[in-house]
Amino acid sequence: SAVISQKPSRDICQRGTSLTIQCQVDSQVTMMFWYRQQPGQSLTLIATANQGSEATYESGFVIDKFPISRPNLTFSTLTVSNMSPEDSSIYLCSGSNRDRVEETQYFGPGTRLLVL
Amino acid sequence: DQQVKQNSPSLSVQEGRISILNCDYTNSMFDYFLWYKKYPAEGPTFLISISSIKDKNEDGRFTVFLNKSAKHLSLHIVPSQPGDSAVYFCAAAEYGNKLVFGAGTILRVKS
Repeated sequence: SAVISQKPSRDICQRGTSLTIQCQVDSQVTMMFWYRQQPGQSLTLIATANQGSEATYESGFVIDKFPISRPNLTFSTLTVSNMSPEDSSIYLCSGSNRDRVEETQYFGPGTRLLVL
Repeated sequence: DQQVKQNSPSLSVQEGRISILNCDYTNSMFDYFLWYKKYPAEGPTFLISISSIKDKNEDGRFTVFLNKSAKHLSLHIVPSQPGDSAVYFCAAAEYGNKLVFGAGTILRVKS
C-alpha cells in the first residue's frame, strides 16, 4: 500500500482566487488521480495525472479550470482556478500501483475547500 | 445519470448484529466492484472487492455478494463492531476504465 498526504488539509478562499493543492506519496506509484466530492454527493474523478505530460481530464472538467502537474512518480498538484462558491468541495488525491485503473486505489485525507 | 446508487443514506445497527449495505448499478459493462470505508477527516480506504466472474468474496468479517442479473451488490459485516461506524462507498468500473462511486451510506453501530 501507499501512504498519501495532502496539503493544505482545508482552506477558506475568496471567489476569483486560485488554490494549489499538493499530493505527496511515500513511494512511487504508477497512477495518480484527482477526485472531487461535493457536499452530499459521491466522489467524481476530475482527471488522471500523467507523469511528465498533460493530465487526462474527464468530461465536464477542463485544464484551464483545474490545471494539474505531475513532475515525478510521487508528487502531483491540482490547482482550482478562478474559484466560485460552486467549487466548495473536498478534493482528494489517490494513487495506484496496479496497471488496471479499476483496481485498488489509495486515497489521501482530502482537502476541504470553502469558497466565499 | 447515476450509474452507481446507494439508496440508503444511513443505517443503524446494534453491536454484534449483521450490517447489510446495498448498492445497485445500471451499467451492465461494469466488471469490477469495490467497497471503501471512510472515517471523518480521512480519505476512503479500500475494504474489499469482487470481479464479475464471482458472486461472493469473503475477508474476515466482511463479505461482498454480487448478483449480476439484478445488477446489485451488497456488503455484509458480521458481527458489527462500533469501530465499523463510518461512511461506506460502493464503486464499480469497466475493464481499464475509471471507478464510478456511489454517494455513500453512513453506518452507525450502537454499543
